[in-house]
Amino acid sequence: DIQLTQSPSTLPASVGDRVSITCRASESITMWLAWYQQKPGKAPNLLIYKASSLQSGVPSRFSGAGSGTEFTLTISSLQPDDFAAYYCQQYRTFPLTFGGGTKVEIK
Amino acid sequence: QVQLQESGPGLVKPSETLSLTCSVSGYSITTGYYWGWLRQTPVKGLEWLGSIFHSGTTYDNPSLKSRVSIPIDTSKNQFSLRLSHVTAADTAVYYCARIWGASGYVEFWGQGTPVTVSS
Repeated sequence: DIQLTQSPSTLPASVGDRVSITCRASESITMWLAWYQQKPGKAPNLLIYKASSLQSGVPSRFSGAGSGTEFTLTISSLQPDDFAAYYCQQYRTFPLTFGGGTKVEIK
Repeated sequence: QVQLQESGPGLVKPSETLSLTCSVSGYSITTGYYWGWLRQTPVKGLEWLGSIFHSGTTYDNPSLKSRVSIPIDTSKNQFSLRLSHVTAADTAVYYCARIWGASGYVEFWGQGTPVTVSS
């Protein structure tokens, strides 16, 4: 199975901050990576697919970058609604696998 | 807008079969896409269980050792999860989902349903 390692696991931040989350894959997944946001008690919500494509309806302050084994999710200016957990997911091959998550919390 | 809703028992006894159903509205499951099941626990995080296409083609996670089946009922626009021989380790929040592609990302999620395995 392809392992995904996210860092950091917790990210204290303030409104207006530029924040970045890293996802590293145990082998190359080319561009086949998605990012999700999850709030407590809710299902995850798709933000980014194919490493850098913004899902319809997702604010443009979210962006994704990377290829191969290293990927980044960036929020350009953190908003109050963005305090949540974020997960990466690879879909280059079965089984589909997820990273362990990064919780963006109020500093 | 596609909507998915899980339903089924919230408590299952060890060694029995967990059965959940996902009702899809706003889109016909025979039109396309893969439909799948995932679960989430505080310890293991998010885990993909398996996916099915309306033609019956299925993929499942080998870690579940063939305990998963995903029946599909196109007449009701529903698909289900059957997870056999459950243990406490199968206690989780279960999500049904629409998946882009055979091996793809999750475009739409159900709200999730908690299932506890306990006698």
